[in-house]
Amino acid sequence: DTGVSQDPRHKITKRGQNVTFRCDPISEHNRLYWYRQTLGQGPEFLTYFQNEAQLEKSRLLSDRFSAERPKGSFSTLEIQRTEQGDSAMYLCARTEGQGAGELFFGEGSRLTVL
Amino acid sequence: GESVGLHLPTLSVQEGDNSIINCAYSNSASDYFIWYKQESGKGPQFIIDIRSNMDKRQGQRVTVLLNKTVKHLSLQIAATQPGDSAVYFCAETRDNYGQNFVFGPGTRLSVLP
Repeated sequence: DTGVSQDPRHKITKRGQNVTFRCDPISEHNRLYWYRQTLGQGPEFLTYFQNEAQLEKSRLLSDRFSAERPKGSFSTLEIQRTEQGDSAMYLCARTEGQGAGELFFGEGSRLTVL
Repeated sequence: GESVGLHLPTLSVQEGDNSIINCAYSNSASDYFIWYKQESGKGPQFIIDIRSNMDKRQGQRVTVLLNKTVKHLSLQIAATQPGDSAVYFCAETRDNYGQNFVFGPGTRLSVLP
């Protein structure tokens, strides 16, 4: 158990619909990261939070992607007007303490856009 | 741009043999490296890490070797078991922070009975 829960595990949606993924880390007030992983590739960084502050979002893939972490606990990643190219695994990860060191990943939320 | 890459995309080994998974990196400023294991349908799982001031680190049945001269990282798995079948990723970073991790595309390890 990595202390990161993600929901839903699988999401199938039609192109143009909005989707939201949720991440619950075991502990609050640490760093929380969102990564995307396409088939056969390694994870690709999207954005991260320190408590409720989003410290890096320039690497979100487009303005259709947004993330929040109200109150520094759980986080959500929303994709608006989904496209087929958004089909991927969306991974949430945490680090211990103030952020240095290994990433503890959740099981991921797999998105399929038809 | 600088990236982490692979020597082999797939590797098949007999159960009980040793496995060696290779990774090349190009950022000479990277000073922290991690190997992750990812089973089908699951998130990446930490296996072992190494810092640039070391050239070898051992864990339980796994050893990571770092050759900074040729920017090469390897993961050795002793007495490979069926449960080791997975995709293995190496990741590098220059400062330990998660937003700066660069992952390679992965090597699929298949353990044959």
